[in-house]
Amino acid sequence: GESVGLHLPTLSVQEGDNSIINCAYSNSASDYFIWYKQESGKGPQFIIDIRSNMDKRQGQRVTVLLNKTVKHLSLQIAATQPGDSAVYFCAENGVDNYGQNFVFGPGTRLSVLP
Amino acid sequence: EPEVTQTPSHQVTQMGQEVILRCVPISNHLYFYWYRQILGQKVEFLVSFYNNEISEKSEIFDDQFSVERPDGSNFTLKIRSTKLEDSAMYFCASSVAGSDTQYFGPGTRLTVL
Repeated sequence: GESVGLHLPTLSVQEGDNSIINCAYSNSASDYFIWYKQESGKGPQFIIDIRSNMDKRQGQRVTVLLNKTVKHLSLQIAATQPGDSAVYFCAENGVDNYGQNFVFGPGTRLSVLP
Repeated sequence: EPEVTQTPSHQVTQMGQEVILRCVPISNHLYFYWYRQILGQKVEFLVSFYNNEISEKSEIFDDQFSVERPDGSNFTLKIRSTKLEDSAMYFCASSVAGSDTQYFGPGTRLTVL
């Protein structure tokens, strides 16, 4: 659901399970998307990106899926580890501004349970 | 591995005072950005900078804000007269190209009293 202020959506998963974090983006003209991870007290850290000419992209333990029809982006983390606990943001870049202005989503807090 | 650095890590100032937040982007990057994040909220774009001029700015980036690249390595954000609501984490980022991945610094926590 929507998050306002301090009330981030939270996803709790057992260590070793797969995690799926979802994001709805707003601009149908966006052509580049990034998932960032932000640990407490640190800046956003790049995880994986995808361009609009792709539906899926895989990295190490992570997969991003893009559904342009419904403007939906998801991040899948395989075999979730305690170090994956963080807030995850999706960011979109509108085609009109050539990547100079990324709009961030509200974030989802991932908690990995032992 | 090269990284974006920011100083100071924490800045405390009185309302109405000027502050300068400093960033050293990754050396071969050409595009520079400032973002802010109010506690518990999402990251918000402030400004992008390329070829010694502002490329784009958000509505947050009003006349109280300015950016500068005073030399070949530093990229600064100045707030002329701070307000209480300027209290936030300020992140600098840089990228090789305008549509490329942005790499973020660790942030400066600004507290305005």
